[in-house]
Amino acid sequence: DQQVKQNSPSLSVQEGRISILNCDYTNSMFDYFLWYKKYPAEGPTFLISISSIKDKNEDGRFTVFLNKSAKHLSLHIVPSQPGDSAVYFCAAGGSNYKLTFGKGTLLTVNP
Amino acid sequence: DAGITQSPRHKVTETGTPVTLRCHQTENHRYMYWYRQDPGHGLRLIHYSYGVKDTDKGEVSDGYSVSRSKTEDFLLTLESATSSQTSVYFCAISVTGLDRTDTQYFGPGTRLTVL
Repeated sequence: DQQVKQNSPSLSVQEGRISILNCDYTNSMFDYFLWYKKYPAEGPTFLISISSIKDKNEDGRFTVFLNKSAKHLSLHIVPSQPGDSAVYFCAAGGSNYKLTFGKGTLLTVNP
Repeated sequence: DAGITQSPRHKVTETGTPVTLRCHQTENHRYMYWYRQDPGHGLRLIHYSYGVKDTDKGEVSDGYSVSRSKTEDFLLTLESATSSQTSVYFCAISVTGLDRTDTQYFGPGTRLTVL
């Protein structure tokens, strides 16, 4: 049973517009959540995280929103750039030093 | 860059042969992880280590073993490789932040093909 779900395998947006990537989770014991970006033939790169005690965290063009009651988080990228085209993984962690990953969403930003 | 290297970066082997992948870190992190990435499955944890000689299984550990005799090295062994183990393998380390979140940083990956 998937504890972390990314229901959209792919997303296409125009350069300069907002990209919104979504993630749902089922385990209410998760303490924090992270987003990773992955280019082909490279390892995943950490983007941004959020603790369960917060509902928003921002870093430059990237903002993560957490809705604990809905067990939902989203990553907003504004404005989107062609270099943002990559696979984005949502991950969730707790007290056991392990992360559970979603299956990823392929974002394509069109010039 | 968390100072993680993986070797080899690419390997082609035949079914039934043993294979060992190496992960090396330079920053003395306690926790190390091995994942595999496959289309449609995301990143799945194979094994992890919480110290020298301290390891535990992840969700897809069958057919894999690990060893950690030094803090800096974490080895993943396929005792008898099968075609289902064709994948991209990533090593990671964990860093605890001031907000108590544990962020994992990944190596560049090893692409393994089992014929």
